Amino acid sequence: KQEVTQIPAALSVPEGENLVLNCSFTDSAIYNLQWFRQDPGKGLTSLLLIQSSQREQTSGRLNASLDKSSGRSTLYIAASQPGDSATYLCAVRPILNAGNQFYFGTGTSLTVIP
Amino acid sequence: DAGVTQSPTHLIKTRGQQVTLRCSPKSGHDTVSWYQQALGQGPQFIFQYYEEEERQRGNFPDRFSGHQFPNYSSELNVNALLLGDSALYLCASTPRGSRIPLHFGNGTRLTVT
Repeated sequence: KQEVTQIPAALSVPEGENLVLNCSFTDSAIYNLQWFRQDPGKGLTSLLLIQSSQREQTSGRLNASLDKSSGRSTLYIAASQPGDSATYLCAVRPILNAGNQFYFGTGTSLTVIP
Repeated sequence: DAGVTQSPTHLIKTRGQQVTLRCSPKSGHDTVSWYQQALGQGPQFIFQYYEEEERQRGNFPDRFSGHQFPNYSSELNVNALLLGDSALYLCASTPRGSRIPLHFGNGTRLTVT
């Protein structure tokens, strides 16, 4: 069974700092990997989707990389802002019985201090 | 263009009762999935519907059941509620077989007392 781990569980940084969030998964047979943002008590907002054949995706100040062979993905946030404060979740979609069954990590809670 | 909409937003039920949660997928999407997110945890897959049938199911008991209607909207039913069913229930939609990102609603917060 696929297991997804996110480190660190919580992170607090001053505004303007660049930061990296880590995600690791146990089974490299994935269809794609998706990073989400979740504000307290809210649903998930998709940030970046990386297909298994891709190495990275970029959107604005966000860059996500994927190393499928080592079972790792990173989310890089440049020039962090207080509005970036949220929980960041990564999720992998397995190749077998893909459907819409994503396996999620428990998230990294990010606080950006003004 | 409305995204994924869920109702109600909050719900309080008593142990042993039954509950129905509703989801309307994003326009153009025909596949609906349900997830349960306990406090401090990542979402866990409950099941997926398309063409009005359950197509895939996660590790949840039969107390959790669902339905999809011809207009692609969906319901999640939970019978014999337990305290441990308290969670945020999230609905997500995509076009079937699509490689586009999963779109989530804002969820229904269920509290079982």
